[in-house]
Amino acid sequence: SQKIEQNSEALNIQEGKTATLTCNYTNYSPAYLQWYRQDPGRGPVFLLLIRENEKEKRKERLKVTFDTTLKQSLFHITASQPADSATYLCALVEPNDYKLSFGAGTTVTVRA
Amino acid sequence: GAGVSQSPRYKVAKRGQDVALRCDPISGHVSLFWYQQALGQGPEFLTYFQNEAQLDKSGLPSDRFFAERPEGSVSTLKIQRTQQEDSAVYLCASSLAETNEKLFFGSGTQLSVL
Repeated sequence: SQKIEQNSEALNIQEGKTATLTCNYTNYSPAYLQWYRQDPGRGPVFLLLIRENEKEKRKERLKVTFDTTLKQSLFHITASQPADSATYLCALVEPNDYKLSFGAGTTVTVRA
Repeated sequence: GAGVSQSPRYKVAKRGQDVALRCDPISGHVSLFWYQQALGQGPEFLTYFQNEAQLDKSGLPSDRFFAERPEGSVSTLKIQRTQQEDSAVYLCASSLAETNEKLFFGSGTQLSVL
């Protein structure tokens, strides 16, 4: 069956450190993968998209990698800040499809 | 409006009651999705519209769930004879183009069925 698995445990890190989140998928061949941020009581907010033929994407303090051989994406938040505390969701779309399939998310807490 | 608007924000229903959840997408957005999110889980796909056409309703859990978007803008998700297992957050998302590479989500409607 198809599965998208994110870090099972919440991540607690010190301000200024790098947070690294994993997203592993099974029985998908995604055309692209996205990362969203979700705050309590709010809907997800789009952060980054990375395509199957791209290895790495950056946006400000965020970096995403995509390894189709390992079937894995890594999401890094560098120089983390308390304002980065949220749940981060990975989602993927298969070729010729339109709907996002989401993982369960990883909750990140950045301590001052 | 500036973003996707959903109403009501919270809905408490007695089991067996019918409910209607509204979504106002960003003006001009062609695509509209409904997702269901259980506590501690990621959103699960329910249904997809491109303009007024419902192209996919494969994620609707039962025939008690019905969605429409008659004029290609506002959408309504209706749940008939609500059950306790319907309790969840219902998220609406819209996208400018059919490629759907960037979804804009509303804040959701939290439905509690007692």
